Amino acid sequence: DAKTTQPPSMDCAEGRAANLPCNHSTISGNEYVYWYRQIHSQGPQYIIHGLKNNETNEMASLIITEDRKSSTLILPHATLRDTAVYYCIRGYSTLTFGKGTMLLVSP
Amino acid sequence: GAGVSQTPSNKVTEKGKYVELRCDPISGHTALYWYRQSLGQGPEFLIYFQGTGAADDSGLPNDRFFAVRPEGSVSTLKIQRTERGDSAVYLCASSLTPGETEQFFGPGTRLTVL
Repeated sequence: DAKTTQPPSMDCAEGRAANLPCNHSTISGNEYVYWYRQIHSQGPQYIIHGLKNNETNEMASLIITEDRKSSTLILPHATLRDTAVYYCIRGYSTLTFGKGTMLLVSP
Repeated sequence: GAGVSQTPSNKVTEKGKYVELRCDPISGHTALYWYRQSLGQGPEFLIYFQGTGAADDSGLPNDRFFAVRPEGSVSTLKIQRTERGDSAVYLCASSLTPGETEQFFGPGTRLTVL
């Protein structure tokens, strides 16, 4: 039970913003929302996480709805190297991965 | 700086054999996690250590799987009487502390049981 719902795949043109949605309607009060990505044949890579407030770092922005039931990961200017599987995870210390969203960035 | 390293990168064994997979976490990280990933699936949690002790081993599929971290740094995942269904990529991750900190993943060990 991954406890989050994501679209299986998305496409994005290089240079455009990629907006990846995630539904976590049963999230509990002390669980964070984490985003990781996995480029082919590599281990997952941390992107960003948040609890209630929107967050931004050098890689991405995370928008969490006020009721915390969903979130969106934004890659502001997608590049070809951003092609990967993106995982939205709710939890605290241990991570429960689902199947994620396969993001394909095309020229 | 050095990241999480795992050895071997590939392991091929025969059904029924015993295997050990090693993980070297980032120096100073107190939390260490093991996951396994089957083809087309996301990583599946197996066990996590805080220091030397297993804080949560609820993901271990059965008693053929065991992990240790005797000195609070390097960890070994041990699989007895391997089965073909154990074939997967075994991932190790570490974090500075358990909980609300990012986990740094190693490249994984690809285990193939013939």
